[in-house]
Amino acid sequence: QVQLVESGGGVVQPGRSLRLSCAASGFAVGSLAMSWVRQAPGKGLECVAVISFDGSNKYYADSVKGRFTISRDTSKHMVYLQMDSLRPEDTALYYCTGDMDIWGQGTMVTVSS
Amino acid sequence: QSALTQPASESGSPGQSITISCTGTSSDVGGYNFVSWYQQHPGRAPKLMIYEVSNRPSGVSNRFSGSKSGNTASLTISGLQADDEADYYCSSYTASRRYVFGTGTKVSVL
Repeated sequence: QVQLVESGGGVVQPGRSLRLSCAASGFAVGSLAMSWVRQAPGKGLECVAVISFDGSNKYYADSVKGRFTISRDTSKHMVYLQMDSLRPEDTALYYCTGDMDIWGQGTMVTVSS
Repeated sequence: QSALTQPASESGSPGQSITISCTGTSSDVGGYNFVSWYQQHPGRAPKLMIYEVSNRPSGVSNRFSGSKSGNTASLTISGLQADDEADYYCSSYTASRRYVFGTGTKVSVL
């Protein structure tokens, strides 16, 4: 069964860091481009980070460039999103996706003092 | 990268057809045949309905169809059903090698 399960969300103060994890099952994370897509409460979707299928390229939305880092561990079937210097506007439900086709259920990140 | 433009809402009666537009630029929608459409019910993750402009994933009803002309892509839902009531988002690959989503369209079944 093809599945993605996100974890690591929570409430964090502005300026702090958080690391999101995404566990894949039923397929190899090294076979697809993996992405993190977020959705602020009541708002639309925004693709914040993409890692190519072979891991050689990473792309970021301008809104998170220099603060977020996407990575993966193919041996553990995991994808990560390291989020530093968090801002209130980063508050959102964060989805992990495989090829923008397979989606997890999301993990909520709230940035608030 | 600016979001693709979609109408805020569309509506129709059961059995009718509606079409949702998604307007971008030559750097995204117009430049690539990598336009996708997603359906999102409240509290649920987005579900892929159309990929590469007009292809349906396995299990998606043939009532959903996609097309593209120039910088505008379209999703048509025919034979509208109550369960089609949801938010719909388009997405496109871009020249900057990222993905951009549309602003979203709320579909109501009257």
